[in-house]
Amino acid sequence: DTGVSQNPRHKITKRGQNVTFRCDPISEHNRLYWYRQTLGQGPEFLTYFQNEAQLEKSRLLSDRFSAERPKGSFSTLEIQRTEQGDSAMYLCASSLEQGGGNNEQFFGPGTRLTVL
Amino acid sequence: AQSVSQHNHHVILSEAASLELGCNYSYGGTVNLFWYVQYPGQHLQLLLKYFSGDPLVKGIKGFEAEFIKSKFSFNLRKPSVQWSDTAEYFCAVSPNAGKSTFGDGTTLTVKP
Repeated sequence: DTGVSQNPRHKITKRGQNVTFRCDPISEHNRLYWYRQTLGQGPEFLTYFQNEAQLEKSRLLSDRFSAERPKGSFSTLEIQRTEQGDSAMYLCASSLEQGGGNNEQFFGPGTRLTVL
Repeated sequence: AQSVSQHNHHVILSEAASLELGCNYSYGGTVNLFWYVQYPGQHLQLLLKYFSGDPLVKGIKGFEAEFIKSKFSFNLRKPSVQWSDTAEYFCAVSPNAGKSTFGDGTTLTVKP
């Protein structure tokens, strides 16, 4: 399967714990995006990378959230001191940006986080 | 800031009925427009996209959408729905080479 993969698919944690999610994009894609989706809403943008550079970060992303893409391939999203309001589906997407602006994004299956 | 509005939260149709889902966006510049579908238990998949050119775009599974720049709209249509079209549909807008902003989705239920 050459699509976007995310691990784990489900994570249950207790409030106050730290969690880390991983996203592996489509191999030739240089852009990687993180979104969060809660029930009844569309995905909300969190942050995105071009190669290893983090180009934009949403104001929704508190300082408890950090994302990295150290080698420009896979990315991790860490949430420190989780709160019940962090419970959501965390989606990763990737795209190939070649300067033409046609940024079709391919989505992974998501990681569902439940904070007890 | 860009925003997307999907007018219908839940649509219920019988098989063979025609479908039109509304999508309006707010953004002052050039945008790329997308419709995504999420079938039960599956991840988001692209139905169709508009970048430039012919404002009537055709996607997979018989879906099409029309970009009307003057109305800031990108409505999704299908002449005859099937039970297998039951899913959640999301409209999204993206400035060139940037993040996407999604609407809150429309849940389509097709009765056999």
